[in-house]
Amino acid sequence: DGGITQSPKYLFRKEGQNVTLSCEQNLNHDAMYWYRQDPGQGLRLIYYSQIVNDFQKGDIAEGYSVSREKKESFPLTVTSAQKNPTAFYLCASWGQGAGETQYFGPGTRLLVL
Amino acid sequence: DQQVKQNSPSLSVQEGRISILNCDYTNSMFDYFLWYKKYPAEGPTFLISISSIKDKNEDGRFTVFLNKSAKHLSLHIVPSQPGDSAVYFCAASEFGNEKLTFGTGTRLTIIP
Repeated sequence: DGGITQSPKYLFRKEGQNVTLSCEQNLNHDAMYWYRQDPGQGLRLIYYSQIVNDFQKGDIAEGYSVSREKKESFPLTVTSAQKNPTAFYLCASWGQGAGETQYFGPGTRLLVL
Repeated sequence: DQQVKQNSPSLSVQEGRISILNCDYTNSMFDYFLWYKKYPAEGPTFLISISSIKDKNEDGRFTVFLNKSAKHLSLHIVPSQPGDSAVYFCAASEFGNEKLTFGTGTRLTIIP
């Protein structure tokens, strides 16, 4: 089954701690994305990568970092510099399907202890 | 600056009736538009898209209309079913750009 997996489903972060959210896809898509969803604010783009070993900042990149060492994987690190990390994080990739679109993973909810 | 706007945060519709969700955009460079459906604690799922060379696209119960001069698109769901209750996001991109700009979403509730 082709798709996007994100782990873990829930993640707890302590103050001053870095945490990494996993995103893996087996759709053979080149482009991958990280979004953050807050209540009433829709989806805001954190980082995106159009090809392996290359990535660009989105609209709210401060306090986050990414890597793209493999086509299948695009992990997101929420650093201690991100002062308000509590949110629902969504990973996506771009490709052809029923239409040209982004396909999303199931999401990771990050909570701060 | 919100380039894609969904001005109705919520909408309630009787089962069997038509649901109409609206979306406005300000960037005249957008030429590809999509609608996504999202259930709580899940990722959005793609519903339907339309390119700027068309003004209508249909897929089963879902129809998207695009009015380029008004920079407005709408999603019609008919007939509405209880399983349609979800948050709907519209999104837009510029030609050749695989980056999407999302609206803030409309929560649709179908009343049995």
